[in-house]
Amino acid sequence: DAGITQSPRHKVTETGTPVTLRCHQTENHRYMYWYRQDPGHGLRLIHYSYGVKDTDKGEVSDGYSVSRSKTEDFLLTLESATSSQTSVYFCAISDDRAPFNNSPLHFGNGTRLTVT
Amino acid sequence: GENVEQHPSTLSVQEGDSAVIKCTYSDSASNYFPWYKQELGKRPQLIIDIRSNVGEKKDQRIAVTLNKTAKHFSLHITETQPEDSAVYFCAASSDNFNKFYFGSGTKLNVKP
Repeated sequence: DAGITQSPRHKVTETGTPVTLRCHQTENHRYMYWYRQDPGHGLRLIHYSYGVKDTDKGEVSDGYSVSRSKTEDFLLTLESATSSQTSVYFCAISDDRAPFNNSPLHFGNGTRLTVT
Repeated sequence: GENVEQHPSTLSVQEGDSAVIKCTYSDSASNYFPWYKQELGKRPQLIIDIRSNVGEKKDQRIAVTLNKTAKHFSLHITETQPEDSAVYFCAASSDNFNKFYFGSGTKLNVKP
């Protein structure tokens, strides 16, 4: 399995508080992603990164920000948590050194976030 | 952006039967189509993938087919077993930063 660690694994927080989720990889992959998973919606891309300090928005980026100061770490911040952000958050990585331009995503174990 | 639709949302089969899950995509630039299996409480894991220059790929009991003209691809599982019970997701991506767009998932239940 790809070396991806997400922390925390579970978190309960109150509406209006900031929350930061961490993703750490040991694979030295260039691409990193944050997805959220909700019933009936599959996995939706929040933000992604294609290098240190290089990030961009995905499909559902409102209310979220990211930072990538080192290759191995990708942080997701909920600036002011809302109940609609209760979800399971997955970090993923992808290898840009593959012989093809695309290579599969490898996921972390997820963070279950509950906003009360 | 890309839109991936997946059907059915739930599928129940008897052990030993075949299961087929279908996906369509909208962006003709998509050229890579992986399938993921997610067991309850676990992370999605890649089970098979196909690139746009190939029409079919097989790995033991699972196979994937791709019709680029119609923009649809399918997952076929033969001789299903109870351990195949899980949620399956299709996805599509292009060369654009390797971003993946996922279908909404199919919950497969294999009855012993």
